[in-house]
Amino acid sequence: GAVVSQHPSRVICKSGTSVKIECRSLDFQATTMFWYRQFPKKSLMLMATSNEGSKATYEQGVEKDKFLINHASLTLSTLTVTSAHPEDSSFYICSATMDDTQYFGPGTRLTVL
Amino acid sequence: AQTVTQSQPEMSVQEAETVTLSCTYDTSENNYYLFWYKQPPSRQMILVIRQEAYKQQNATENRFSVNFQKAAKSFSLKISDSQLGDTAMYFCAFMKHFRDNYGQNFVFGPGTRLSVLP
Repeated sequence: GAVVSQHPSRVICKSGTSVKIECRSLDFQATTMFWYRQFPKKSLMLMATSNEGSKATYEQGVEKDKFLINHASLTLSTLTVTSAHPEDSSFYICSATMDDTQYFGPGTRLTVL
Repeated sequence: AQTVTQSQPEMSVQEAETVTLSCTYDTSENNYYLFWYKQPPSRQMILVIRQEAYKQQNATENRFSVNFQKAAKSFSLKISDSQLGDTAMYFCAFMKHFRDNYGQNFVFGPGTRLSVLP
């Protein structure tokens, strides 16, 4: 149980385009999902908390208009990186909470050319 | 605000030996959860072990056990009979029991890179 999937696992895009990353809880419902960014050899940095049916809560310094989060159902949250630039290249990880424990997706490697 | 510290950026251990990874945290909360997550080269974050602060008994999962010292705010992970597959980044994490919209409710430490040597 408690499996979280993420799609795509890797994406390469041109500067100025938008990219959507999906996070799904496969065998449980999650009212709350989280989106993290991880730089090489660093810890996870929380970007935002995604709440089903309401607006996401963004951490300080994270641009809401650049990183659009939608949590339309109890099993799906999406992160859209709008007008991506090379500095947005990173590893993005989502997680979902079940029984007071976070379970993580496998991550998405985003490369912006 | 909660903080989590892992003072050992890198460690190594011989296969079949035992190793202990340290973690300390700072909080004014009384009820919370502590976790150890493993991130192997695949970068998939895997839950290793979970401890509830109100439980005095240390959590154990097969070869993994913790030494939870609430008063000292210490939460170390012991890996017994280390295996090559244990090679990974290990993150200690803290989560408030009662979540609110103020500040981070889930905080990761900086990680310890563990290498198991054959």
